[in-house]
Amino acid sequence: SYVLTQPPSVSVAPGKTARITCGGDDIGTKSVHWFQQKPGQAPVVVIYYDSDRPSGIPERLSGSNSGNTATLTINRVEAGDEADYYCQVWGGRSDHWVFGGGTKLTVL
Amino acid sequence: EVQLVESGGGLVQPGRSLRLSCVASGINFDDYAMHWVRQAPGKGLEWVSGISWNSDSVGYADSVKGRFTISRDNAKNSLHLQMNSLRSEDTALYYCVKADVSSWDTAHFDNWGQGTRVTVSS
Repeated sequence: SYVLTQPPSVSVAPGKTARITCGGDDIGTKSVHWFQQKPGQAPVVVIYYDSDRPSGIPERLSGSNSGNTATLTINRVEAGDEADYYCQVWGGRSDHWVFGGGTKLTVL
Repeated sequence: EVQLVESGGGLVQPGRSLRLSCVASGINFDDYAMHWVRQAPGKGLEWVSGISWNSDSVGYADSVKGRFTISRDNAKNSLHLQMNSLRSEDTALYYCVKADVSSWDTAHFDNWGQGTRVTVSS
């Protein structure tokens, strides 16, 4: 089965850059989507197809994907970025849709 | 504005059934595939099931295959999840999710409802 591995937590000071990784076998050949979930709220897509940003998502958020790692980068981190972040891919006909375990971003 | 409103959750005993519903507004519902995604308390996201725009193609996670059935009624802009033989591990918040295309096995999930809570316990 296809597995996506995320660090459980990432901490960053305000104004700095946060990088959240998503590891998977040859993930660079797949399209990766990223969701942000704030406490008590439904997930919201923040990056799709590796690096596209939906309207309304700040340019500070960006995505990249190569080899065995996809990365969500958040520049100039703000307190409002504190949330859980999940990566997702289509794992194929046997695994279907796969989510990473999620990363809790803490703004110090 | 896209709105997805789930209903039908509640407390149910193990082995019993429950039917979840989701009503969509603000979109041409029959243009898009739809999904159910769940989140157990304090846990991550788990894809449950997806259905194509015309119901011709459906998919299920192994954890629910044979017990859950996804369906839709395009005339009523509604999505359903019939859940049978419920287990304690099915306890979760169930989200109705819209895809950005007509097929459930491609593209991405672009809109989520607020969820309906299912608790399986005796």
